[in-house]
Amino acid sequence: EAGVAQSPRYKIIEKRQSVAFWCNPISGHATLYWYQQILGQGPKLLIQFQNNGVVDDSQLPKDRFSAERLKGVDSTLKIQPAKLEDSAVYLCASSLKPPIGGNEQFFGPGTRLTVL
Amino acid sequence: AQSVTQLGSHVSVSEGALVLLRCNYSSSVPPYLFWYVQYPNQGLQLLLKYTSAATLVKGINGFEAEFKKSETSFHLTKPSAHMSDAAEYFCAVSSAFSGGYNKLIFGAGTRLAVHP
Repeated sequence: EAGVAQSPRYKIIEKRQSVAFWCNPISGHATLYWYQQILGQGPKLLIQFQNNGVVDDSQLPKDRFSAERLKGVDSTLKIQPAKLEDSAVYLCASSLKPPIGGNEQFFGPGTRLTVL
Repeated sequence: AQSVTQLGSHVSVSEGALVLLRCNYSSSVPPYLFWYVQYPNQGLQLLLKYTSAATLVKGINGFEAEFKKSETSFHLTKPSAHMSDAAEYFCAVSSAFSGGYNKLIFGAGTRLAVHP
């Protein structure tokens, strides 16, 4: 079974530029998550989708971050414009079941973003 | 609100020695608790999870964790460390939010070093 795919793996941009990350979840997984992991910290949930609907985006900085999952499969996370503090690893995860209880999430390898 | 505290950002052990990584949680309801491992340049992999069944949970790679409600702890142990255990370990609690869904709240992580 193929895992969660993410691209690109690394991205370097200058502040105020735009950037987009792509995620393809495990086949059949209805729930998709985007996390931000700043160096030295644990992952922080940015947004989670159930199929193509948003169930939680309370920690997404909506003035600069956006995410979509148009067909309920793959997803794109965008930052426009980027700030220095956006430098982090962006992790995508997916789960077969809705995000309840002890549901297991499967993580992709992440995209490491450096903002100069 | 739920939260997780991992005591010790860095732990170093000798190969063959006991591994003990500490995690304390705060939760107003019976929690779901997880341990994830992250190897360099990879995503997170689930080691084990507690979902209110047995208090002693066995996971992959010889790791286990014990849920202690009275101490609000979920410490991770392995009797004998191997060089391949060197990685970063994250404790997480599943936190309920509006709409009946949960989200994972991660601790800051503990980096485990194993020396010969």
